[in-house]
Amino acid sequence: SQKIEQNSEALNIQEGKTATLTCNYTNYSPAYLQWYRQDPGRGPVFLLLIRENEKEKRKERLKVTFDTTLKQSLFHITASQPADSATYLCALDTGGFKTIFGAGTRLFVKA
Amino acid sequence: EAGVAQSPRYKIIEKRQSVAFWCNPISGHATLYWYQQILGQGPKLLIQFQNNGVVDDSQLPKDRFSAERLKGVDSTLKIQPAKLEDSAVYLCATTGGTGDHNEQFFGPGTRLTVL
Repeated sequence: SQKIEQNSEALNIQEGKTATLTCNYTNYSPAYLQWYRQDPGRGPVFLLLIRENEKEKRKERLKVTFDTTLKQSLFHITASQPADSATYLCALDTGGFKTIFGAGTRLFVKA
Repeated sequence: EAGVAQSPRYKIIEKRQSVAFWCNPISGHATLYWYQQILGQGPKLLIQFQNNGVVDDSQLPKDRFSAERLKGVDSTLKIQPAKLEDSAVYLCATTGGTGDHNEQFFGPGTRLTVL
């Protein structure tokens, strides 16, 4: 069955450093992959989408890579700020406008 | 544009009672999803609608859960009877606007506690 793995442990980093979150998947070849941010008590918010033929995508301080050979996506936040503290969810396309979500990684950025 | 609206925000019931959640999607969004998110886990798809038709309900526990999408707009999700393990946040999401391909817009969720 399809499986998505994200760092189960929380990631603690210092303000100004780059945060790197990992998403690994098995048993599937998604056409695209998405990253969402979720704050406590709120629904997820879309951040970035990367397609299978794209190696890297950037949006402001965010960068996503997609390696279909390794079946892995990396999500980077450069110059991190305390306001970036949240849970980040990886989501894989499974066709038909449907996605499956990973469990998410909690990020804490300390001032 | 207005976001996805959900109500109620919180609900506490006892096991074996019934409960209903309501979702109002972003105007014009054809695809609507209901997800269940248990604490510490990612959202799990329960049912997907395209307009008022069901696209996927393979993970919906049909012996106790039901959902409908009235006239392809608002949707309700019902649980009857509720079990302790149904305690979770129920998220509604929609897609089909002018955003990135399959970008899903989520509502704030309904937090259900079953005692």
